[in-house]
Amino acid sequence: DAKTTQPPSMDCAEGRAANLPCNHSTISGNEYVYWYRQIHSQGPQYIIHGLKNNETNEMASLIITEDRKSSTLILPHATLRDTAVYYCIVRNYGGATNKLIFGTGTLLAVQP
Amino acid sequence: DAGITQSPRHKVTETGTPVTLRCHQTENHRYMYWYRQDPGHGLRLIHYSYGVKDTDKGEVSDGYSVSRSKTEDFLLTLESATSSQTSVYFCAISEEREKQYFGPGTRLTVT
Repeated sequence: DAKTTQPPSMDCAEGRAANLPCNHSTISGNEYVYWYRQIHSQGPQYIIHGLKNNETNEMASLIITEDRKSSTLILPHATLRDTAVYYCIVRNYGGATNKLIFGTGTLLAVQP
Repeated sequence: DAGITQSPRHKVTETGTPVTLRCHQTENHRYMYWYRQDPGHGLRLIHYSYGVKDTDKGEVSDGYSVSRSKTEDFLLTLESATSSQTSVYFCAISEEREKQYFGPGTRLTVT
């Protein structure tokens, strides 16, 4: 599975969009980009995933560059409850083990 | 939220004692996983299961064993707990090729 690089921390004002970047320059053609988040002391929570097209669901949007070497997770209107560590994970969809490899993620702090 | 429970939620034990953590699901998902989380390391996979009685090692499996005798339960055993196994343990489940759902975690302290 490809390695990802994320900034260790970011701040965002409440009500504004939070844009979290992820670099995955060694991604291969059959690897998807997944985003999870972990609110303090809780288990990680799935947010969204995509291959090459932009994706949107009720939680967030995922923008993947055309060369697929980087992506951005967008929380359109951040709230205090969005304060969490956000993990960008690249893995083979349907790989033999279906396992996730977590890095250290980005701590997003939403400020009032 | 996916129906995943972990027990116990907190445990303090002494070095050298055996410890078993339980993960229980009500979703009938095929895959189950055990992760540990330590400061500066993110989550690391210990063991996983791809069916009843079918398990395999993850990246940090030394000192741990697992068993899955029925779909809904996945047990993690520390045969002889050490201080280095003090951690927060998360169980996760998934259907084949789908996203993972995580349990609330078990905080284990080995003194």
